[in-house]
Amino acid sequence: DTEVTQTPKHLVMGMTNKKSLKCEQHMGHRAMYWYKQKAKKPPELMFVYSYEKLSINESVPSRFSPECPNSSLLNLHLHALQPEDSALYLCASSQEWTSGGNEQFFGPGTRLTVL
Amino acid sequence: AQSVAQPEDQVNVAEGNPLTVKCTYSVSGNPYLFWYVQYPNRGLQFLLKYITGDNLVKGSYGFEAEFNKSQTSFHLKKPSALVSDSALYFCAVRDTGWMDSSYKLIFGSGTRLLVRP
Repeated sequence: DTEVTQTPKHLVMGMTNKKSLKCEQHMGHRAMYWYKQKAKKPPELMFVYSYEKLSINESVPSRFSPECPNSSLLNLHLHALQPEDSALYLCASSQEWTSGGNEQFFGPGTRLTVL
Repeated sequence: AQSVAQPEDQVNVAEGNPLTVKCTYSVSGNPYLFWYVQYPNRGLQFLLKYITGDNLVKGSYGFEAEFNKSQTSFHLKKPSALVSDSALYFCAVRDTGWMDSSYKLIFGSGTRLLVRP
């Protein structure tokens, strides 16, 4: 299994809602990432988990709350979002650099619309 | 700081012709370079990478890239373009100062490739 899956594919939420995005990989990767991508722009790194511990938070607002329940799962909890948070949210994973894998594997993304 | 530049917002090429998508980089230390492709409303798909070794790197779907240290470039190429190659292409470099277990990718701004029939 060499893929990263993300659910849901699409999500529409109001500014007062609470929702969660889910990401899963079964490649044994110990690093998982959340990215935000606006249309026709490169992905922007939000969070990095390494061995199920949050290692990087790229100054993301607290209305985004990541969680890594186990080595295969990554969640992004959303609360009180703003319309400007509408974007494609991408999950990725990678193995240790010296293991030779090197590249990050990306999921298909969740298209989020905040009304 | 590490950076990559993709000087062309869009590249147009006729089907069957060779294509080149340009990328230049600025790094301290050894460059670790990647190309990804993104189709509409999809995630990024890995195409190829340069870590070390041969300057000509072969990747998926017939793509290749040439690492040129003197010109600090890593251009993506394909000998014969297909209409289905039309997509958004990102060049990326691994950022420095990261541990073995995870790392940050720094992306270029992206180049839209349009292959006309």
